[in-house]
Amino acid sequence: DVKVTQSSRYLVKRTGEKVFLECVQDMDHENMFWYRQDPGLGLRLIYFSYDVKMKEKGDIPEGYSVSREKKERFSLILESASTNQTSMYLCASIDRGNDQPQHFGDGTRLSIL
Amino acid sequence: AQKVTQAQTEISVVEKEDVTLDCVYETRDTTYYLFWYKQPPSGELVFLIRRNSFDEQNEISGRYSWNFQKSTSSFNFTITASQVVDSAVYFCALSAPYNFNKFYFGSGTKLNVKP
Repeated sequence: DVKVTQSSRYLVKRTGEKVFLECVQDMDHENMFWYRQDPGLGLRLIYFSYDVKMKEKGDIPEGYSVSREKKERFSLILESASTNQTSMYLCASIDRGNDQPQHFGDGTRLSIL
Repeated sequence: AQKVTQAQTEISVVEKEDVTLDCVYETRDTTYYLFWYKQPPSGELVFLIRRNSFDEQNEISGRYSWNFQKSTSSFNFTITASQVVDSAVYFCALSAPYNFNKFYFGSGTKLNVKP
């Protein structure tokens, strides 16, 4: 079974802090994704990566950056956290095949005070 | 452009009732994939089913069934004899196979099954 592990289930940070959310997958997947989930808005794509050191902006990249130094790890960075970044963050990975489902981590509920 | 619409924000049923969750999608691709995920209160997204655009056969898995109709661009999900454990948020998603396997998610339908 594919395992996608997010470093924290719950995280509380303060406005202006630099925040790191970590995601690790154990199935050698090429593609990894970061989403945020807000009530009524579904999952919105922040950034994704299709290879080591390769990244692409999703639909809502403002205020975020990412890092992928190793294939199994994909980090989401909030450069200067703001209260409107309080949300549920979900990481996913997928094998490079046309019909595969994305596999998700358990999510990180991030609160910015 | 790719888009998925789940018009039902929240549905409440009583246990043992049947319930259908609607999903309508938009795409210009001739090859695409459709998915349903379940998100229980614990938060993780659980993959339920995958369908490709060339296979319009309906599928049944226990109490779950899926109706894919290309003519109406719909991929609806029915739960028969609902149970309290079915309470969750359900997401429909569309995959763009030639675009890094990006997924386009609907806004989700929250299903409340009351005992």
